[in-house]
Amino acid sequence: RKEVEQDPGPFNVPEGATVAFNCTYSNSASQSFFWYRQDCRKEPKLLMSVYSSGNEDGRFTAQLNRASQYISLLIRDSKLSDSATYLCVVNHNAGNMLTFGGGTRLMVKP
Amino acid sequence: SQTIHQWPATLVQPVGSPLSLECTVEGTSNPNLYWYRQAAGRGLQLLFYSVGIGQISSEVPQNLSASRPQDRQFILSSKKLLLSDSGFYLCALQGPAGGYTFGSGTRLTVV
Repeated sequence: RKEVEQDPGPFNVPEGATVAFNCTYSNSASQSFFWYRQDCRKEPKLLMSVYSSGNEDGRFTAQLNRASQYISLLIRDSKLSDSATYLCVVNHNAGNMLTFGGGTRLMVKP
Repeated sequence: SQTIHQWPATLVQPVGSPLSLECTVEGTSNPNLYWYRQAAGRGLQLLFYSVGIGQISSEVPQNLSASRPQDRQFILSSKKLLLSDSGFYLCALQGPAGGYTFGSGTRLTVV
């Protein structure tokens, strides 16, 4: 089993749609969780951290389910500019090193 | 604030030639630094990480090496490049909250 698994997609959605991505992780001792966004041919950039109680940043909502070991990202009112690859990131063995999922590609169409 | 610089942005090198990619950081001391490679259409592969000057850990055995001659400098090298070394090379700096900040990357094509 991979340490961090994501559906690679692509998810093709129309503008204005709501889309959700899930990610599962294998290490129950993991403590830190993030979502990163990577545009084509660019470096990954931090989108948001994921907190135990769930957190929201504008149109983006992140949730953590420790019992089932999965993380979700919900994007409401999708924009064309949301088209990118979204990377689920988990710290490794409760230490400092992060493990990246393979990413989920989102394409928002007019 | 912490910043990370990486260069060059693109590089085309012949097979068998040497490689040196440099990454420097500002605004922090004794950072954890990482080198990743991303092949076209693939995920991030951790190559090396460093927790301090002269301290290098290798994640994947290959013909690449890394060095950290100064606290804020991390260098990726190769003596002889292979075609399979082509990819997008990213340096990353770990911030106080645990997340990484990536440099803008070097796109290496070995021909």
